[in-house]
Amino acid sequence: DTAVSQTPKYLVTQMGNDKSIKCEQNLGHDTMYWYKQDSKKFLKIMFSYNNKELIINETVPNRFSPKSPDKAHLNLHINSLELGDSAVYFCASSPTGLAGGLRYEQFFGPGTRLTVL
Amino acid sequence: AQTVTQSQPEMSVQEAETVTLSCTYDTSESDYYLFWYKQPPSRQMILVIRQEAYKQQNATENRFSVNFQKAAKSFSLKISDSQLGDAAMYFCAYEYGNKLVFGAGTILRVKS
Repeated sequence: DTAVSQTPKYLVTQMGNDKSIKCEQNLGHDTMYWYKQDSKKFLKIMFSYNNKELIINETVPNRFSPKSPDKAHLNLHINSLELGDSAVYFCASSPTGLAGGLRYEQFFGPGTRLTVL
Repeated sequence: AQTVTQSQPEMSVQEAETVTLSCTYDTSESDYYLFWYKQPPSRQMILVIRQEAYKQQNATENRFSVNFQKAAKSFSLKISDSQLGDAAMYFCAYEYGNKLVFGAGTILRVKS
């Protein structure tokens, strides 16, 4: 009954390859996110989708392309992988709006550790 | 642009004692949200506590409480009666418009 799941958990690949990370949430949320955590543990948002529409697109290289086939899924495809892409990638989801005046929290997946050799 | 600063890269606390983690942020918005997330060695991000900017009352969740000073743009986390399971990386985060901006994190070590 995992809330936000990501596959794979670990990904080791060569420079120049293309890879995808999948994310699924079974919480019924309508907003999903991708975050990147670098080697110094710094977390930064990359993308956000609401009801399958892109709403946040930070300054991310064009080699990164998110795809949301439906509200429950947000996949991340990376072309021509570079050494600097090595990081942990987190998917998250949240409902839109407020609960009793408080912003709903974002629920995070377990992360995918990507290593580019 | 919004920024979040955690000035303590690492903190240590004795089991059963109290520790405070610092966080300051910069924003020109008046209505926003603040969070503390915990990341244990398992890597999972876990929400610890949240605060809405317009609420003057400090949020409390069991042993965790915050000291929110809006004018000073400060949002510190106090952990009382520290337990070994509290050892983790703690991230302060600011949210506006569904976008979370994180600080660099503070590693908390708990000594038995």
